[in-house]
Amino acid sequence: GESVGLHLPTLSVQEGDNSIINCAYSNSASDYFIWYKQESGKGPQFIIDIRSNMDKRQGQRVTVLLNKTVKHLSLQIAATQPGDSAVYFCAENMVRAGGTSYGKLTFGQGTILTVHP
Amino acid sequence: DTEVTQTPKHLVMGMTNKKSLKCEQHMGHRAMYWYKQKAKKPPELMFVYSYEKLSINESVPSRFSPECPNSSLLNLHLHALQPEDSALYLCASSFRDRGYEQYFGPGTRLTVT
Repeated sequence: GESVGLHLPTLSVQEGDNSIINCAYSNSASDYFIWYKQESGKGPQFIIDIRSNMDKRQGQRVTVLLNKTVKHLSLQIAATQPGDSAVYFCAENMVRAGGTSYGKLTFGQGTILTVHP
Repeated sequence: DTEVTQTPKHLVMGMTNKKSLKCEQHMGHRAMYWYKQKAKKPPELMFVYSYEKLSINESVPSRFSPECPNSSLLNLHLHALQPEDSALYLCASSFRDRGYEQYFGPGTRLTVT
């Protein structure tokens, strides 16, 4: 199940289940929303992005949903595997006028995903 | 080569020491970044370099001094740090027009005693 408290939110699932990780963002002016995965002892790894004019984007085993009305972003992982265990961060990015990304990422607090075999 | 390398992996320094962190990438990325990450917290942006020029400084104290000698290298010079500066320092790079897709190194674990 999922819990939110003084510590990072955690999500525990069984191998093969689908996982849904949620994120509330703050800046309505953000142009891109991104999911990163950080495994223990490693730097964050880019998973998938979605532009603000879209509401859904699919990748390999992952789907990102964007609800701008309630400023909510979610990451769905299909058939979750033990290798998916990590901390997942959502991030926001605003594009400079003219289309060049600022490169300034603002990360959310993160969710710990634990996958049990 | 899709890797960002960082050295050293671990660093312990006293408050009067001067040390440097090094980051290298050979992906042709022209934007490079320094982040600070405390335990159980998200990465926080410190500096952004674009085409070897400093483009963003997130009000970082002057005891942290970044340097970009060329398009592949990024350094972070450290001097007179405080114990609260102990953290994981992450370097990242990206294509300049895809700044939301950043490639991160494994980080340098810094302890200030």
